[in-house]
Amino acid sequence: NAGVTQTPKFQVLKTGQSMTLQCAQDMNHNSMYWYRQDPGMGLRLIYYSASEGTTDKGEVPNGYNVSRLNKREFSLRLESAAPSQTSVYFCASADRESSQPQHFGDGTRLSIL
Amino acid sequence: GDSVTQMEGPVTLSEEAFLTINCTYTATGYPSLFWYVQYPGEGLQLLLKATKADDKGSNKGFEATYRKETTSFHLEKGSVQVSDSAVYFCALSDRSGSARQLTFGSGTQLTVLP
Repeated sequence: NAGVTQTPKFQVLKTGQSMTLQCAQDMNHNSMYWYRQDPGMGLRLIYYSASEGTTDKGEVPNGYNVSRLNKREFSLRLESAAPSQTSVYFCASADRESSQPQHFGDGTRLSIL
Repeated sequence: GDSVTQMEGPVTLSEEAFLTINCTYTATGYPSLFWYVQYPGEGLQLLLKATKADDKGSNKGFEATYRKETTSFHLEKGSVQVSDSAVYFCALSDRSGSARQLTFGSGTQLTVLP
């Protein structure tokens, strides 16, 4: 099925470990996003990529890095995980920068011990 | 800055009941307004949107009207089904629709009982 695919679905890390969350979309969308979702809060934007080769910070970028590998793939990296980064992470895509995110992945549930 | 306030959940209704989920916003410009739905274990899906005052967004029996005078975008459905059980998020973006200005409310959990 067409859509946004995230891997892994679940992950447990120890404080200080590093990890990369993968995201791929097959809808030929230009824009891709990474959000985190915490209990009792709406989604908060971490980073986004308006088009291949460009990335920009969102509301909560500290502690994260991203790579827009090609038009399909947008990865999120935690270099040194901290307990405050325990969250559910969602990748999303939109056909152009001026559109709101239209398609979301099923999320990655990440726990940092 | 911009903000979105949703009614506190959880909301529990019987099948075929009328649904209202309140949403109000604060914004400096003229935002576009959205409702997203998140079914259990899934990502968010765009449910409906409105881009200017008095616009009505509608989809799958859900409706919401952009009310500039009351800065509101309440979600309504005349007869809910068990399959509508999900978390609903109200969101806004500024005029340009830039991803950096997309602001979400905290979400409202809806449970529909048979």
